[in-house]
Amino acid sequence: GQQLNQSPQSMFIQEGEDVSMNCTSSSIFNTWLWYKQDPGEGPVLLIALYKAGELTSNGRLTAQFGITRKDSFLNISASIPSDVGIYFCAGIYNFNKFYFGSGTKLNVKP
Amino acid sequence: DTEVTQTPKHLVMGMTNKKSLKCEQHMGHRAMYWYKQKAKKPPELMFVYSYEKLSINESVPSRFSPECPNSSLLNLHLHALQPEDSALYLCASSQDGETGGNQPQHFGDGTRLSIL
Repeated sequence: GQQLNQSPQSMFIQEGEDVSMNCTSSSIFNTWLWYKQDPGEGPVLLIALYKAGELTSNGRLTAQFGITRKDSFLNISASIPSDVGIYFCAGIYNFNKFYFGSGTKLNVKP
Repeated sequence: DTEVTQTPKHLVMGMTNKKSLKCEQHMGHRAMYWYKQKAKKPPELMFVYSYEKLSINESVPSRFSPECPNSSLLNLHLHALQPEDSALYLCASSQDGETGGNQPQHFGDGTRLSIL
């Protein structure tokens, strides 16, 4: 199957700092998605991206669909303690195959 | 609140028990999925139902048996599970079927399964 390389694996930041994480692949994806998972819960969709170059915001979150269609990044501005969790990128390949990245564990120190 | 509802939230069972996990969505989605997730790992796809028909089985052992009674419901029947089957089992749904589409999957909160 396709591989999504997500980095960094984990991050420790101070409250108020900005955060950036990304996902890359050797293949072209049709859709890029970003999810957040809190302990004991399922992944929650944060942002969906459908076109190369698309830049979409959801509150303090901003994500972009890379021009080459092989990558995406997620930025979180002015982090707060409730941003703690695991962030997964996901991509839809060939319009019918869904792949997850390995996840980025975010820790925010008050 | 999630629009995909899973029950029960927690389940503890012995290796000889038979139990079922249930999933329900009322978003009119035509594809439904079962995933298994181990701690600190991404979800791993088990089964895909498209228009109430099983379209993908990712070589899952037969002790896991999925069922889709109608377009809103998805069950996972469990029998003779092993300790290594302990995990979070997630259900998801998406607007498009597996045969085509680029719509995101929406997940339930999962069932935390422990096998004694």
